[in-house]
Amino acid sequence: GAGVSQSPSNKVTEKGKDVELRCDPISGHTALYWYRQSLGQGLEFLIYFQGNSAPDKSGLPSDRFSAERTGGSVSTLTIQRTQQEDSAVYLCASSLGAGGNYGYTFGSGTRLTVV
Amino acid sequence: KNEVEQSPQNLTAQEGEFITINCSYSVGISALHWLQQHPGGGIVSLFMLSSGKKKHGRLIATINIQEKHSSLHITASHPRDSAVYICAVNQGAQKLVFGQGTRLTINP
Repeated sequence: GAGVSQSPSNKVTEKGKDVELRCDPISGHTALYWYRQSLGQGLEFLIYFQGNSAPDKSGLPSDRFSAERTGGSVSTLTIQRTQQEDSAVYLCASSLGAGGNYGYTFGSGTRLTVV
Repeated sequence: KNEVEQSPQNLTAQEGEFITINCSYSVGISALHWLQQHPGGGIVSLFMLSSGKKKHGRLIATINIQEKHSSLHITASHPRDSAVYICAVNQGAQKLVFGQGTRLTINP
């Protein structure tokens, strides 16, 4: 597609339920990143995928969070047993190569509310 | 202390004014980015800098590597420039470290 597409745009879920957030990067972009923006906070790194290399999961806040990228394209961020502190905007970005060399294109985000 | 500090946190100005937002960082970087976030959350990349100065329309970004400082300038500001402006740096080639953002409001 023309840009980075994220779905859903908004998600309200009950505490304890699992949620899946989807990111469809720009075709041909080998790098894909997930970031989180909690209310009143800055953006924080969660995970990135670069080509066929093992993902860098160093930003995932707990083992309830996981992500996969299938076929080097679409990525899914899964949050198990959601907690109220997981409420945030989850942003995905992609890059032609390493983002520091090529720049980043961001999606519009998924606003997750855990009630 | 955050690795990336922005100032001011909030800025309100009148249409037509010249705007400056500052970013200081405390780590070695390979690139610095200026991002724009409108209400609703979507982020647009404005500039990627590793040295010098870049200009796009009414926006100008500069970086001083020795002083670990960057500025974003907006000339002839307009209400549609109202947004949160975020400075972010690459310490390596992949991950970004973000500043807290500057909320800019331009009044007509």
